This record gives sequence, C-alpha cells and structure tokens, in this order.
Amino acid sequence: DIQMTQSPSSLSASVGDRVTITCRASQGIRNFLAWFQQNPGKAPKSLIYSASSLQSGVPSRFSGSGSGTDFTLTISSLQPEDFATYYCQHYSIYPPTFGGGTKLEI
Amino acid sequence: EVRLVESGGDLVQPGGSLRLSCAVSGFTFSDFYMDWVRQAPGKGLEWVGRTRDKAHSYTTEYAAAVKGRFTVSRDDSKQSFYLQMNSLKTEDTAVYYCVRTRNYGGGNWNFDYWGQGTLVTVSS
Repeated sequence: DIQMTQSPSSLSASVGDRVTITCRASQGIRNFLAWFQQNPGKAPKSLIYSASSLQSGVPSRFSGSGSGTDFTLTISSLQPEDFATYYCQHYSIYPPTFGGGTKLEI
Repeated sequence: EVRLVESGGDLVQPGGSLRLSCAVSGFTFSDFYMDWVRQAPGKGLEWVGRTRDKAHSYTTEYAAAVKGRFTVSRDDSKQSFYLQMNSLKTEDTAVYYCVRTRNYGGGNWNFDYWGQGTLVTVSS
C-alpha cells in the first residue's frame, strides 16, 4: 500500500494567517491526490481533487499543488470556520489511503 | 440537494453480523460509484470498499482488512447502497461513512459527498 505522510500533525495559527500543510506519498501518484476537511463530530468534506482542482462550493482561499510524491494544501487567509482537521488521500492505485491528518488550531 | 443517510449501526458481539444501509437522494444514483469509508474512534480515515456503477458492471473492490468478511452492494431501483459485515472483530469498531464517488475518467475520481456516518461498535 502507498503510505501518505502529512506534516505537521498539528498547527497553531490565527485568523488571517496563511498556512500550508504538506503531504508526501511513499511512491509516485501523479496528481491523483485529494484533500478533505473534517470538523469534530462531522463527516469529512471534499476540498480539492486532482491535486489542484477546487471542489464546487469551496472558497478560493483554499488551493492545492504538487505532483509525483510531494503535495501541499494552502489556505491563504484563515477564517474562523477553517479550524479543523485536514486529510490528504491518494487514489493512484487500490487501496486508496489517507494521511494521518493535520489538526489546525487557534 | 445531494443527501446520503446511513442507518443500521449498532452494538454487536465479536463474530456477529450487521448490515448497514445508505439511502441517497438528489442525484442520479446509477451514474455514480459508491464507497464506504470508516473512522475508528479518535483515529484517521480508512477506505473499506467500493461498488462501481452499472456502466462498469457493478464491480467491487475491498480493503485487505475486510476482504472475505464484508460485502458491498447496491440497488439502483431503491437508490440504496449497502454494507454487509460478517465475522466482525473489535477492530471493526468505527463510524462508517457512505460516500458518493465522482468518476472523471482516466483513473481520476473523488469522494465528493459524504453521509453523516453510523456508529458500529463490536464488543462483548
């Protein structure tokens, strides 16, 4: 299985900050990478697919980049509702696997 | 509005069986792959299994941890998706999410909508 490693595992930031979360795959996955946001007690929500394509309805302050093994999720100006846990996920081969998550805290 | 509503989660003893259901609305169900993803308490996300759409002959895929014990199925006429879980183990304890999967072709797809989840607890 392809291992997905996120860093950092937790991150403290403030409203208005620009933050970047990194995801590394244990082998090349082209651009078959997605990002999800999860608030406590809620279902995950799709943010990004194909490494950089924004899911419909997601604010433009979210952006994704990368290809191969190294990827980033950037939030350009943090809003109060962005404090959540973020997961990357590859879908290059079966099984699709998720990173361990990055908890974004105030 | 896309809606996915899971049901069937319960407390079950190790070795027991359970069937989860997912009722969908707001989209043409037969056009989409459907997946189950689970999350153990306080842990990360783990993909469980998939059924493809009619155009792809409803073929299925499973995670190694559940292959041979779990079965995914769908009934397009009822707009419903199912997960039959047999020989349950304590490590199967998790919230199980029903997920719509949009297939863009060329191996590109995305888990674009998620249900609210249903809790399965395996314990004696």
